[in-house]
Amino acid sequence: QVRLQESGPGLVKPSETLSLTCTVSGGSVNYDYWTWIRQSPGKGLEWIAFYHYTGSTHKNPSIKNPVTISFDSSRNEISLKLRSVTAADTAVYFCAEGRGHYLSLVFDHWGQGALVTVSS
Amino acid sequence: QSVLTQPPSVSGAPGQRVTISCTGSGSNIGAGYTVQWYQHLPGAGPKLLIFGNTDRPSGVPDRFSGSKSGTSASLAITGLRAEDEADYYCQTYDHSLDGYYVFGTGTKVTVL
Repeated sequence: QVRLQESGPGLVKPSETLSLTCTVSGGSVNYDYWTWIRQSPGKGLEWIAFYHYTGSTHKNPSIKNPVTISFDSSRNEISLKLRSVTAADTAVYFCAEGRGHYLSLVFDHWGQGALVTVSS
Repeated sequence: QSVLTQPPSVSGAPGQRVTISCTGSGSNIGAGYTVQWYQHLPGAGPKLLIFGNTDRPSGVPDRFSGSKSGTSASLAITGLRAEDEADYYCQTYDHSLDGYYVFGTGTKVTVL
């Protein structure tokens, strides 16, 4: 059974970079689409970006912040960097495994989420 | 930001049937992309309930069923139980802009 665990600072200052890591256990990052999704307080889910094991990445065009998603195969970790954050980036950030075809991705394993607050 | 609209809340007594609608457009559900449904409990990651419009992962009770027609999809819960009280989200692909994955606005199911 694949398990995902998000980790990173819970507090980030405005204009700085939000950095999170997702550690995968019980599986390998050398398959599927590894995805970051967030949920702002009182709001719904928003897809941020994915990393595909072939090395391709894709981000949500609605998110204006520079986004970097990468992976470390030796550690089975996927990382997210979201730059120039504002209070609007305060959210619970989820790591999820996406499987299937690119046009019909199914997010079938999720981490429990990590709360990140953007505040000075 | 979501382009998939769900009712904010639905409720029902134990044992009853409730349905949740998910209304999209021609760039997502109406374009033929498959719809998934997730159950989200506080403090946990969402759980996949339905994929490919109608299919259930192993372990999901057959009380949960999905359907799709035109630019909309629906999730039905029959034999409502107290443990079904949660938030529910639909999800699909949208080919507008550069293409992205979109979730519904979310529906809170309350068991009376």
